[in-house]
Amino acid sequence: AQSVTQLDSQVPVFEEAPVELRCNYSSSVSVYLFWYVQYPNQGLQLLLKYLSGSTLVKGINGFEAEFNKSQTSFHLRKPSVHISDTAEYFCAVSDLVPGKSTFGDGTTLTVKP
Amino acid sequence: EAGVTQFPSHSVIEKGQTVTLRCDPISGHDNLYWYRRVMGKEIKFLLHFVKESKQDESGMPNNRFLAERTGGTYSTLKVQPAELEDSGVYFCASSHRSFGGPDTDTQYFGPGTRLTVL
Repeated sequence: AQSVTQLDSQVPVFEEAPVELRCNYSSSVSVYLFWYVQYPNQGLQLLLKYLSGSTLVKGINGFEAEFNKSQTSFHLRKPSVHISDTAEYFCAVSDLVPGKSTFGDGTTLTVKP
Repeated sequence: EAGVTQFPSHSVIEKGQTVTLRCDPISGHDNLYWYRRVMGKEIKFLLHFVKESKQDESGMPNNRFLAERTGGTYSTLKVQPAELEDSGVYFCASSHRSFGGPDTDTQYFGPGTRLTVL
């Protein structure tokens, strides 16, 4: 069975500050990893994904994540956040593509002016 | 290209009633998924269609839930009879059946249906 732990439920930061949203997973097999963002009253939007290859993955809106197999982590980072990044972020893992994803509880990022 | 659409956006029903949620995937997407988020917790998988066939329904909570996908196009999720614990946001997602390309299993999500059972 797979599981995903998002270590912070709420992350408040000031505008233009760097941010890291932490995600750890457990799985007995090789995994595919995803980060999604959900803005208010909208569906989930894919930010980035790791399927194979380079462990540093760049996504949309200036976000990036690094797959660390030894630490079973896939932390999301952005060097300088904007007010518009305020949203809920979900980390997800899948052991099969196409196939179901297992999600974490979500992290609410609040960017303050 | 139209995205994944879901109807209704909100539904409020009483315990014991029946509700049917509808999902229209992106045209040409063979894979269709249903997920549910209850009480702000994690988003949980319900089931996965490939065209009209149920590929994986391991997440369906019980036999009060019935999912169908007519002709491999839109899908419905019926809850009958609804219970209080069924309240939550039901998401639908679809993906293209391709392997190895950059779009491999990128799941495109709809805005969700918020179901409240009183």
